[in-house]
Amino acid sequence: QVQLQESGPGLVKPSETLSLTCTVSGGSISSYEWSWIRQPPGKGLEWIGYLHYSGNTNYNPSLKSQVTISVDTSKNQFSLKLSSVTAADTAVYYCAREWGGGANDLWGQGTLVTVSS
Amino acid sequence: DIQMTQSPSSLSASVGDRVTITCRASQGISNFLAWYQQKPGKVPQLLIYGASTLQSGVPSRFSGSGSQTDFTLTISSLQPEDVATYYCQKYNSAPYTFGQGTKLEIK
Repeated sequence: QVQLQESGPGLVKPSETLSLTCTVSGGSISSYEWSWIRQPPGKGLEWIGYLHYSGNTNYNPSLKSQVTISVDTSKNQFSLKLSSVTAADTAVYYCAREWGGGANDLWGQGTLVTVSS
Repeated sequence: DIQMTQSPSSLSASVGDRVTITCRASQGISNFLAWYQQKPGKVPQLLIYGASTLQSGVPSRFSGSGSQTDFTLTISSLQPEDVATYYCQKYNSAPYTFGQGTKLEIK
């Protein structure tokens, strides 16, 4: 079955760029839309943005100046870049598949990214 | 942007109780609403989409209703394994905002 796996550094310095990759296995990335969602420790879920496999994107306005989501269909991967990070960007970052027009039916295990010097 | 407000923020109920969680949108979103369950230390899981369609594999004691601005998630008979935080999410248009969550505990 289709599985998602996030990968990337677990520690990023303030003002630097956070970079994560989500690898889709067991199915093609070229069939759905894909999301990034984050959850600060002990807090709720925050939608970061989504990507259509064609490359079209839509971002949360609160993060739009920092966020880039891109796709590499040859590797069946999509990526998140978040620039100029601060401690407030410390969170578990999830990649997810969109289903039924926007609900997320399949999630990665999540990866904790800590922003600290 | 449309805001999503859940109530209550936390809830304690007994096994077998009927439990209802409410999600209110600040503007109409038709039926573009999903509910998720997140058990402690686990990944969120989709329970309901389209406001009332049960995701495959989800127990039938879960149900959703509502449209436009007012939505409910109901657990018909609370089970111990239902201890979790529940989130609503709207997806009629970006941003796909989540509610702040409702933490459900067993009394």
